[in-house]
Amino acid sequence: LAKTTQPISMDSYEGQEVNITCSHNNIATNDYITWYQQFPSQGPRFIIQGYKTKVTNEVASLFIPADRKSSTLSLPRVSLSDTAVYYCLVAMGRRALTFGSGTRLQVQP
Amino acid sequence: DVKVTQSSRYLVKRTGEKVFLECVQDMDHENMFWYRQDPGLGLRLIYFSYDVKMKEKGDIPEGYSVSREKKERFSLILESASTNQTSMYLCASTAGGVTEAFFGQGTRLTVV
Repeated sequence: LAKTTQPISMDSYEGQEVNITCSHNNIATNDYITWYQQFPSQGPRFIIQGYKTKVTNEVASLFIPADRKSSTLSLPRVSLSDTAVYYCLVAMGRRALTFGSGTRLQVQP
Repeated sequence: DVKVTQSSRYLVKRTGEKVFLECVQDMDHENMFWYRQDPGLGLRLIYFSYDVKMKEKGDIPEGYSVSREKKERFSLILESASTNQTSMYLCASTAGGVTEAFFGQGTRLTVV
């Protein structure tokens, strides 16, 4: 299973763009990259998923370089409600979904 | 609206008891997972199942077993609860071939 490495924590201010990078050096050809968000006392919630290049939805953008050994979750103009833990996962199909420790994002006013 | 439902939100059990945590999904998903989450340790995978009656160990299976007799239901069993199994337990499911996981609301288990 591909192991992921993320920063333990990040701080930001309201209105700023936040970029969280995840390393996954041994990603397999069939693996997709998925990001989740978790608030306290709740289960993680899907944010975005991609295979290569760039994916954008109403919540975030995901940038994946050509070698796919890393990915960057971009949150535009964060607000206090974006304070959460963000997890990067690399998996495909029926293989296990293994979460790392995630990145704790603290947004301040 | 898709749903993963865990049978209890809060549970208090005594040391040595056999504990059943139930998880039901209504999305006809093939894959189901059990995690525990402790402060500072993220989510750790206990067991997962990719088909009825199939199970595979995750990272921390010791002290746990699972059962999947029907596609929609995945049970986590603590054979003899111990205080170090006090934790938040989360169930998730995914469809085959994709990795968007849907999580239940979690069960906070306290073993005294």
